[in-house]
Amino acid sequence: DIVLTQTPLSSPVALGQPASISCRSSQSLVHTNGNTFLSWHQKKPGQPPRLLLYKVSNRFSGVPDRFSGSGEGTNFTLTITRVEAEDVGVYYCMQATQFPHTFGPGTKLEIK
Amino acid sequence: EVQLVQSGGGLVKPGASLTLSCVASGFNFNIYDMNWVRQAPGKGLEWVASISSRSKSIKYADSVKGRFTVSRDNASNSLHLQMSSLRDEDTAIYYCAKYYDHWGQGSLVTVSS
Repeated sequence: DIVLTQTPLSSPVALGQPASISCRSSQSLVHTNGNTFLSWHQKKPGQPPRLLLYKVSNRFSGVPDRFSGSGEGTNFTLTITRVEAEDVGVYYCMQATQFPHTFGPGTKLEIK
Repeated sequence: EVQLVQSGGGLVKPGASLTLSCVASGFNFNIYDMNWVRQAPGKGLEWVASISSRSKSIKYADSVKGRFTVSRDNASNSLHLQMSSLRDEDTAIYYCAKYYDHWGQGSLVTVSS
C-alpha cells in the first residue's frame, strides 16, 4: 500500500502569513496513464471533506487562489499564501493512483 | 448543483448489519466512479470502498473486505454500502463521494453493545 506522510502534523500560523504542508509518498504517484492523482482536502468539524486541489495543482471550483499545489513523483506541497481565519481545519493529502486509495494523517492548521 | 444525500446509519450491536445509501443528483451519475470514505472519532480519513461507473470494478479496504458490499443502481442514481458483521472499530462517520470532488453530508454509524 502507498503510505502518505505529512509534515508538519500541526501548524500554528498568524493571520495573513503563509502556510505550507508537505506530503511525501512511499512510492511514485505517477499513474501508468501519466496523471498524478494526488489531491488535497480540507476537513472541518461537522462538515464533509472539501476538495481543494486535484492532480497535484489543479484548483477545484470555488477554491480561493491563495491555495496552490506543487510537486511531482513522491513529494508534494500545499501552500496557502496568506492564511485567513476560515482556513482553520485539518488538511489531508490523498492518493488515488493505486488501490487502496490512501490519505495522509492530516495536518491541523490553527491560528497563532 | 451536485448533491449527494445520505441516509441510513445509527446505533447497532457488534455483529449486526446496516445499510447506508447515497442518492445523487445534479450530475450524470452513471459515468462517475463513486467511493465510500469514513472517519472514526478523533481519527483521520480512511478510504473504504470504490465502485466504477458500471460496477465492473469494485475495490475494498482490507479492513472491510468480506464484510462490506458496495453497490449502485444507475437507474435510480443511488449508491449503497451494505455492512455486516459490524465491529466496534467500524464506528465512524461514513461519507459517499463522487470521485472525490463532491461529498455527502455523512452518516454516523455507532457499533456498541
